[in-house]
Amino acid sequence: AQSVAQPEDQVNVAEGNPLTVKCTYSVSGNPYLFWYVQYPNRGLQFLLKYITGDNLVKGSYGFEAEFNKSQTSFHLKKPSALVSDSALYFCAVRDILAGNNRKLIWGLGTSLAVNP
Amino acid sequence: EPEVTQTPSHQVTQMGQEVILRCVPISNHLYFYWYRQILGQKVEFLVSFYNNEISEKSEIFDDQFSVERPDGSNFTLKIRSTKLEDSAMYFCASSEGFLMGSEAFFGQGTRLTVV
Repeated sequence: AQSVAQPEDQVNVAEGNPLTVKCTYSVSGNPYLFWYVQYPNRGLQFLLKYITGDNLVKGSYGFEAEFNKSQTSFHLKKPSALVSDSALYFCAVRDILAGNNRKLIWGLGTSLAVNP
Repeated sequence: EPEVTQTPSHQVTQMGQEVILRCVPISNHLYFYWYRQILGQKVEFLVSFYNNEISEKSEIFDDQFSVERPDGSNFTLKIRSTKLEDSAMYFCASSEGFLMGSEAFFGQGTRLTVV
């Protein structure tokens, strides 16, 4: 069965420090992987995606993520966190072997708190 | 920048009443979706819509739910007879095209409260 795990409910980092938000996935075929961010009282905003090619993908607001096929992971990273990065982060996967459907399977989300 | 818009932002309804949640997807997008997020739980897929018909639906999307694109711009989700457990944040999304790698763009959500 397709699934996404975000093992940490909350991540706390100090401003200026690097941050990592973890995501692992399980699909039957090759995955398309996505990160979204949700600020309070806002919708889900697309950050970045991995489709194919370079395992390190860069996205909005200085975020990047590394696809690791052997570890079935797609951790979100940023070299230097900002207080304004504090939000809820969701990892999602689409299984390319799942026919023509395009539904996203979501993790539970990780709340990132960046302390000044 | 184009965006998906949803109305209303918050809807309170009595159990058993019908509700219609409205969405205006991004204009050149071809795929439309509804997801929901019950407080404290995962975002869950409800339905996808392409070429004026449902392309996929989840087990949540039973006979009480329906979707429609009545006029080429709006995309609506109707819940015929709401239950308490339908209380959730409902997100509409759209994506550009046929490529499986197309990312979905989400609206800000409608918070539905069934009392």
